[in-house]
Amino acid sequence: DIQMTQSPSSMSVSLGDTVTITCRASQDVGIYVNWFQQKPGKSPRRMIYRATNLADGVPSRFSGSRSGSDYSLTISSLESEDVADYHCLQYDEYPYTFGAGTKLELK
Amino acid sequence: QVQLQQSGAELVKPGSSVKISCKASGYTFTSYDMHWIKQQPGNGLEWIGWIYPGNGNTKYNQKFNGKATLTADKSSSTAYMQLSSLTSEDSAVYFCARFRYPGIVFDYWGQGVMVTVSS
Repeated sequence: DIQMTQSPSSMSVSLGDTVTITCRASQDVGIYVNWFQQKPGKSPRRMIYRATNLADGVPSRFSGSRSGSDYSLTISSLESEDVADYHCLQYDEYPYTFGAGTKLELK
Repeated sequence: QVQLQQSGAELVKPGSSVKISCKASGYTFTSYDMHWIKQQPGNGLEWIGWIYPGNGNTKYNQKFNGKATLTADKSSSTAYMQLSSLTSEDSAVYFCARFRYPGIVFDYWGQGVMVTVSS
């Protein structure tokens, strides 16, 4: 199975920060990576698809990038509503696999 | 508008089975795969498999072979997942999410069903 190694597992953040979360794929998954935001007791929300594309309705402070097998989600100028868990997903190869998640917490 | 409405929480006994549902509306049910995802408390997400309601084709994560069975009823636009031989390891929230390769990947999710396995 493809491992998506997500880091950090948690991050203490302040409003206005620029935050970057990374997933490293254990083998090539091309552009087939999505990022999801999840708030407590809620379903995940798609934020980024195909590594770099902003999903409908997602604020432009969110962006996705790729460098080789490293995939990053960046939040510029963090707002309070962005404090949540974030998950990456690879869907290039079965079984689809998620990263372990990153929890953002306010300082 | 697209909606995936899942059934309610379940409390079930070890060794038993449970069948949870995901009713789709607002789109053509038979044109999208329906995927199922597991989330144990405080843990990450785990992909279980998919069903294509158009023809009933399925694909499972090998880890869930024999544990999960996916079906779909076109007449009611409802996807189902049956979980069998339940143990405490099956206690989790289960989500459905729609998919159409390559760009529509989990754009809509159900609200999740909490399954608790306890005697």
